[in-house]
Amino acid sequence: EVQLVQSGAEVKKPGESLKISCKGSGYSFSAYWVGWVRQMPGKGLEWMGIIFPGDSDTTYSPSFQGQVTISADKSISTAYLQWNSLKASDTAMYYCARREVPGNYFDSWGQGTPVTVSS
Amino acid sequence: QSVLTQSPSVSAAPGQKVTISCSGSSSNIGNNYVSWYQQLPGTAPKLLIYGNDERPSGIPDRFSGSKSGTSATLGITGLQTGDEADYYCGTWDNSLSAGVFGGGTKLTVL
Repeated sequence: EVQLVQSGAEVKKPGESLKISCKGSGYSFSAYWVGWVRQMPGKGLEWMGIIFPGDSDTTYSPSFQGQVTISADKSISTAYLQWNSLKASDTAMYYCARREVPGNYFDSWGQGTPVTVSS
Repeated sequence: QSVLTQSPSVSAAPGQKVTISCSGSSSNIGNNYVSWYQQLPGTAPKLLIYGNDERPSGIPDRFSGSKSGTSATLGITGLQTGDEADYYCGTWDNSLSAGVFGGGTKLTVL
């Protein structure tokens, strides 16, 4: 069974750094793209970016380029989403998901990591 | 403002049929596959339709998808109260070189 298990809830202050994780199991982690999706409170889904753990090839949405860093460690089947300096507007639920190609769809999703940024 | 346009809400009675539309352009829906996701309250999204009209295993045939030109449609028949959720379309955008989602449609089963 394909599973993506995300790290737990985070509460941070503006300006702090953060790295959240997403561990895949039940499939060949290196062979599938993993994506990150943001959902701000009461809002819709936003496609942030994807990474291919096999070679760390990464694509960002223009809206998120330079704002976050997506990385992966294939040796432990884990993908990461990182911020260097959080803002209050980063408060959201963040989902990781496995991406299927062709078709560009997310077929399995993590449970979500809530991030709260508040002074 | 989302690249893909969905109506904010739709409602229908139990047992009835509803359609949810997703409008885009030639840079996204017009030249790429569309997928649909269901997000029940307080849960992660779940894949309902991929490849415009394919259902993953375990998704009942009450759910269907179609695409024509630069628009896509999700159909749900035999509505149940458990279908109350937010529904999102998604695809790739060649101009952005990134994936995109619609703004979501909230389905209410009256």
